[in-house]
Amino acid sequence: DAMVIQNPRYQVTQFGKPVTLSCSQTLNHNVMYWYQQKSSQAPKLLFHYYDKDFNNEADTPDNFQSRRPNTSFCFLDIRSPGLGDAAMYLCATSSVRVGTDTQYFGPGTRLTVL
Amino acid sequence: AQSVTQLDSHVSVSEGTPVLLRCNYSSSYSPSLFWYVQHPNKGLQLLLKYTSAATLVKGINGFEAEFKKSETSFHLTKPSAHMSDAAEYFCVVSYNTGGFKTIFGAGTRLFVKA
Repeated sequence: DAMVIQNPRYQVTQFGKPVTLSCSQTLNHNVMYWYQQKSSQAPKLLFHYYDKDFNNEADTPDNFQSRRPNTSFCFLDIRSPGLGDAAMYLCATSSVRVGTDTQYFGPGTRLTVL
Repeated sequence: AQSVTQLDSHVSVSEGTPVLLRCNYSSSYSPSLFWYVQHPNKGLQLLLKYTSAATLVKGINGFEAEFKKSETSFHLTKPSAHMSDAAEYFCVVSYNTGGFKTIFGAGTRLFVKA
């Protein structure tokens, strides 16, 4: 089945220790998104890639970076995690970057910062 | 400004009774509207979407929503709740004008009592 895969499902890191979260997709979609979802809150878009074009949200902290080496993979790097970065991180894809297009979500990676 | 308001943070129904989850939006543009469901520790799944075609939209698992432009509403309904419907529901507005944007409502937690 075509899908969005996130690894790992659970990640524990130490305060200030860099961490990378992974997302892959078999849908061959052009757009990949990263969302941060804190407990009992709505997902918040951090950035997205339209093909190789990186689009950062204005309020995304510099501590968050992303890489997309090819169509299938996208990575979220947190350079120096703080306690406030503990959250569920959701990856999503869509075929095109238009308002009518459905986003397909992965299961998420829950990040714990000690 | 564009916004999405989910009018209830929690809704509790008995199994077999109707479900109503309310969503109002504010948009200067012609939006696309979505409802997503999120079960605990899972990613988001599309229930249905409105993209300027029929105003009554049918989705998966017996859910439907009606787009009412005059009321700027997109309420989600289901005639008969099932225990498996217990989850978090997000109303989402998406549009392209002035740059691509996706806005999530704060979410409504649905509880289903036996």
